[in-house]
Amino acid sequence: KAGVTQTPRYLIKTRGQQVTLSCSPISGHRSVSWYQQTPGQGLQFLFEYFSETQRNKGNFPGRFSGRQFSNSRSEMNVSTLELGDSALYLCASSSRTRPETQYFGPGTRLLVL
Amino acid sequence: DAKTTQPPSMDCAEGRAANLPCNHSTISGNEYVYWYRQIHSQGPQYIIHGLKNNETNEMASLIITEDRKSSTLILPHATLRDTAVYYCIVRVGVNRDDKIIFGKGTRLHILP
Repeated sequence: KAGVTQTPRYLIKTRGQQVTLSCSPISGHRSVSWYQQTPGQGLQFLFEYFSETQRNKGNFPGRFSGRQFSNSRSEMNVSTLELGDSALYLCASSSRTRPETQYFGPGTRLLVL
Repeated sequence: DAKTTQPPSMDCAEGRAANLPCNHSTISGNEYVYWYRQIHSQGPQYIIHGLKNNETNEMASLIITEDRKSSTLILPHATLRDTAVYYCIVRVGVNRDDKIIFGKGTRLHILP
């Protein structure tokens, strides 16, 4: 089975722009979670989607949003980018049979200038 | 806040067993202990998890104390490729309303 894939792998944006990141989970996995990782704050949970519904949400401003499609692929969007949004954005998927185990993608490294 | 406490860094000689401790003194009865690791510039990788019994798989062993307030991840024969940040996490295994909270982890250096 192919692992979790994320696109793009690297991205450079400027302040005020918006960005959309994509995540394709492992085939058969219906749960997708997003995390932000920065040197200062470490790995922080953004949100989780299951069957196209947001099931859980972390403590991030409304500029961060996401969605999941019927094929379980997920996108996250950040509007009005700020310098502090520069980070590695990680996506993870899990299956119904082992919902407690998450498999992470390689991440998208976003740089905001 | 993370519910676990780990040392910020540890060294281990190549070929020796690496023992990574984790304190989770406020763990609830239905919370599992999970271990992930993150090799530089990659996404975290699941290693092992357990509730109260010791667990072993092809990657590692997990020893959980009887009172469940602490645990130890054991890499039996550490190699240079095991150099990574190791995260210990507690969460309810089947309750989907909780979120995974990663702490700072332990940066493990395997020395040649």
